[in-house]
Amino acid sequence: NAGVTQTPKFQVLKTGQSMTLQCAQDMNHEYMSWYRQDPGMGLRLIHYSVGAGITDQGEVPNGYNVSRSTTEDFPLRLLSAAPSQTSVYFCASSQRRDSPLHFGNGTRLTVT
Amino acid sequence: AQTVTQSQPEMSVQEAETVTLSCTYDTSESDYYLFWYKQPPSRQMILVIRQEAYKQQNATENRFSVNFQKAAKSFSLKISDSQLGDAAMYFCAYRSPILTGGGNKLTFGTGTQLKVEL
Repeated sequence: NAGVTQTPKFQVLKTGQSMTLQCAQDMNHEYMSWYRQDPGMGLRLIHYSVGAGITDQGEVPNGYNVSRSTTEDFPLRLLSAAPSQTSVYFCASSQRRDSPLHFGNGTRLTVT
Repeated sequence: AQTVTQSQPEMSVQEAETVTLSCTYDTSESDYYLFWYKQPPSRQMILVIRQEAYKQQNATENRFSVNFQKAAKSFSLKISDSQLGDAAMYFCAYRSPILTGGGNKLTFGTGTQLKVEL
């Protein structure tokens, strides 16, 4: 099973550029979420979704947009990249509200 | 809001020895879930162990066990018979049971880097 797949693994952007981080899961999980990991700060929730067509903001949503048109996919969009968005991004999914999270392998994003 | 504190940025252990990683949390809720995740250099986040707050019995998974002290809001991870493959960053995480839209939101600590020495 593929589990949670994130693409790309690495990305370098210039300030002001836009891009989409892709996340797909093949486990038919309802819950999906995006976290960012910064040195010394653990992981922080950006956006999450409790099902297709339903999304909401997490702890650090500014500068990011999401959509959930299908159960499988949960892309994260950066409309105008800033150096403060340099980070490692993780997508996660779970079957139910009380199920453990399954994480993707992360995307390392550098904004210059 | 809940907070999770890991006060040990780095720990070292000799192979085959036992090490305990500390985690404390702050919450006003009476029922919740606690987790330990392992992140090796590959960057993958791997679930090590979970604990439901309503369960008094400490969770165990092979060489990994927890010491859950609810009154003290403490959730330490003990690794027995440490192996080279245990070297990783370890994160403690909290999840609220409240049925808000947050669903499976986790609040993470800042992590403890574990080194295993020969």
